[in-house]
Amino acid sequence: SQQGEEDPQALSIQEGENATMNCSYKTSINNLQWYRQNSGRGLVHLILIRSNEREKHSGRLRVTLDTSKKSSSLLITASRAADTASYFCATGSSNYKLTFGKGTLLTVNP
Amino acid sequence: DAGVTQSPTHLIKTRGQQVTLRCSPKSGHDTVSWYQQALGQGPQFIFQYYEEEERQRGNFPDRFSGHQFPNYSSELNVNALLLGDSALYLCASSLVGREETQYFGPGTRLLVL
Repeated sequence: SQQGEEDPQALSIQEGENATMNCSYKTSINNLQWYRQNSGRGLVHLILIRSNEREKHSGRLRVTLDTSKKSSSLLITASRAADTASYFCATGSSNYKLTFGKGTLLTVNP
Repeated sequence: DAGVTQSPTHLIKTRGQQVTLRCSPKSGHDTVSWYQQALGQGPQFIFQYYEEEERQRGNFPDRFSGHQFPNYSSELNVNALLLGDSALYLCASSLVGREETQYFGPGTRLLVL
């Protein structure tokens, strides 16, 4: 079963614009992570935010977490064509496994 | 430093057959997890192995089984293949106590005809 649900399902923007993706989840978590996947290949870990954190930055990425609303957002600033990919949120809990959402397909047009 | 490797990259089987997929974890990692990703969906957790034992299992039937070897590499076996088993199978490795950080391999794409 899917824990997280990303919104929107698909997003198309121009190079240089910012992209924002949202994730909602249902149960309590230890952490929430964002992954990128290019063309159905392996997943690349982008960033992890723990349940006691509210915001985290890594390069052009900014992640927020609101545990009261059970939601997170991923902001990619100054997007590039190479950012075109599917983005997944995944929640981690105490039982070792990651539970993924269905993903957001981001297309960055040159 | 070798990352997670998986073999084969692609595989075609027919219904009813059995398949074995292989995974070598990232150097220094001792825990291996397997995920199934159907087309257009997010990965779904199958199971996790540590110290050659299945430590946690997702909502998958007994047709899905696994093994971990003393060198930490792992196999995923699927018996009596169904058309619905067609998917990308992803292996992820981590270090015990640091399971929150998982490194994924490139996956094996399985097509069942």
